[in-house]
Amino acid sequence: QKEVEQNSGPLSVPEGAIASLNCTYSDRVSQSFFWYRQYSGKSPELIMSIYSNGDKEDGRFTAQLNKASQYVSLLIRDSQPSDSATYLCAVNPRDKLSFGAGTTVTVRA
Amino acid sequence: GAGVSQSPSNKVTEKGKDVELRCDPISGHTALYWYRQSLGQGLEFLIYFQGNSAPDKSGLPSDRFSAERTGGSVSTLTIQRTQQEDSAVYLCASSYDRERLFFGSGTQLSVL
Repeated sequence: QKEVEQNSGPLSVPEGAIASLNCTYSDRVSQSFFWYRQYSGKSPELIMSIYSNGDKEDGRFTAQLNKASQYVSLLIRDSQPSDSATYLCAVNPRDKLSFGAGTTVTVRA
Repeated sequence: GAGVSQSPSNKVTEKGKDVELRCDPISGHTALYWYRQSLGQGLEFLIYFQGNSAPDKSGLPSDRFSAERTGGSVSTLTIQRTQQEDSAVYLCASSYDRERLFFGSGTQLSVL
């Protein structure tokens, strides 16, 4: 079982719609959870972090965490073409971030 | 510096040659990480440094891979006797809290 699994993409959404990305993790000791965005040919950049159960909102992005279900999600509201990228879920169980394979999102204008 | 700096940005080498990849982290960041990303794949953890020591080397694929960090700053990843399967983008990241990682632009390694 992989440490971090993400829903397979690619995910295509129309401009203005909500993009929903899911991630599950296997190590229950994990306490820190992150979403990174990676544009094609570029390096990942941190866009969200979440540590407690529930929702965390930052602009058009909302991260959701459910530790009991070992589940993290990212919602992108009012999706824009500039949101087209690969989104990587990352989990920190023991001082090293483990990344999922990523979900590629394409926002159609 | 302003960000994590990696060099070279591209490296083409012949199978069997040794290569050295360099990472200069953000000033003051005590943690430094090396990851590898193959085309269309996620990030594969290689090694992590806290200061000059490497508490976790579990991700190094084989004994052909080694890394060091000196002065709590610059790190070098060395791959000996390169193989074609070593071709990938090698990403370095640094962190001040071992959670939020700041990535360099990577080294694209191509082994012919």
